[in-house]
Amino acid sequence: GQNIDQPTEMTATEGAIVQINCTYQTSGFNGLFWYQQHAGEAPTFLSYNVLDGLEEKGRFSSFLSRSKGYSYLLLKELQMKDSASYLCAVRDGNSGNTPLVFGKGTRLSVIA
Amino acid sequence: EAQVTQNPRYLITVTGKKLTVTCSQNMNHEYMSWYRQDPGLGLRQIYYSMNVEVTDKGDVPEGYKVSRKEKRNFPLILESPSPNQTSLYFCASSSVPAVNTGELFFGEGSRLTVL
Repeated sequence: GQNIDQPTEMTATEGAIVQINCTYQTSGFNGLFWYQQHAGEAPTFLSYNVLDGLEEKGRFSSFLSRSKGYSYLLLKELQMKDSASYLCAVRDGNSGNTPLVFGKGTRLSVIA
Repeated sequence: EAQVTQNPRYLITVTGKKLTVTCSQNMNHEYMSWYRQDPGLGLRQIYYSMNVEVTDKGDVPEGYKVSRKEKRNFPLILESPSPNQTSLYFCASSSVPAVNTGELFFGEGSRLTVL
């Protein structure tokens, strides 16, 4: 089976740094993905990790440890517009045919 | 403008009345997919299609049908809707290379209520 866990809600202050964790248990692994979803809107793609380590993209970074089944999304210099849900997703098969399995999402509130 | 378009965006219907939610993309993507999103359950895949005339079940296909007669369109059909299909539905598309890197492009969502 597949199991993806991430915190339900988090709150952080404008200008600060926040780390959103995601742990997963899957029979196979072919990539971990992060999406951002503002309330009432469609998810948008943020990042992709398939090898261990940190991928940086502007204010956002994503880390992966395959041996620990663990990833985090790091958001720096938080802005009010970063208030959204952040979805962790995993592909547990070995081809592009294998669908992404999404976690339930972490709702981040950025406060002044 | 590159986009995935779903219709209708909002619909209230009654149990048993067949309905179709359309999805169209203008990016010439091979891959298309339908998800439903429910509170506390996250996004769950209903069906997906890797190309024209090729469709496969996702995690929650019961009560749904799809077809892929043209590359740009991937309609979701509820033959006999029931209240447990009340949900927010998203269509997504991607090119084959982007599917491997997980980059899906989502439509704006269709909020369906079945009474």
